[in-house]
Amino acid sequence: SNELTQPPSVSVSPGQTASITCSGDKLGNKYVAWYQQRPGQSPVVVIYQDIKRPSGIPERFSGSNSGNTATLIINGAQAMDEADYYCQLWDSSTVLFGGGTKLTVL
Amino acid sequence: EVQLMESGGGLVQPGGSLRLSCTASGFTFSSYPMIWVRQAPGKGLDWVSYITSGSSTIYYADSVKGRFTISRDNAKNFLDLQMNSLRADDTAIYYCARVKWFGESPPLDYWGQGTLVTVSS
Repeated sequence: SNELTQPPSVSVSPGQTASITCSGDKLGNKYVAWYQQRPGQSPVVVIYQDIKRPSGIPERFSGSNSGNTATLIINGAQAMDEADYYCQLWDSSTVLFGGGTKLTVL
Repeated sequence: EVQLMESGGGLVQPGGSLRLSCTASGFTFSSYPMIWVRQAPGKGLDWVSYITSGSSTIYYADSVKGRFTISRDNAKNFLDLQMNSLRADDTAIYYCARVKWFGESPPLDYWGQGTLVTVSS
């Protein structure tokens, strides 16, 4: 099925590692991007093609993708990382977004 | 500096029409595919439409197919979205975004600030 499933929420303590998953059928055979959306702001790409980090994105953001699950990892989460995160992929002539995960840093 | 600025949002009655525009600056607009993404209040991101740099290829989400039309004017650096037969579930912030390249799995590397469309009687 052409759906991407994310947990609605993830919590992490400051300085700890946050993992946000995105599940879909044979997701590992496709490239996944991740977007961060802070409250009231437009989305920003933080990872693309599974593991690539755009210039200006902190090194604490990384990604992986295998099997049916892609994962966004934030090492040493900071208060500024509190946001909604969306996975996304291109599937032939469509663009799919996951439902989004609210990351709380507390 | 790359900038994308949407305009044209507002309140429209069900069944009505609205035309959104996205003005691009700071890059060679004619070289990039573009995309419209929307976000209903308090909800997630929802892809609307895609257009290649030369308008040769256009895709629509099933939810808007036959009602929305994407177009672009590369001479004026404009991306448009003509929305007809609007429904309440079209209510959302509409973002235009640049597609970083034409090919496999490009990221959406720049986004506008969005324009709010409200469909209500």
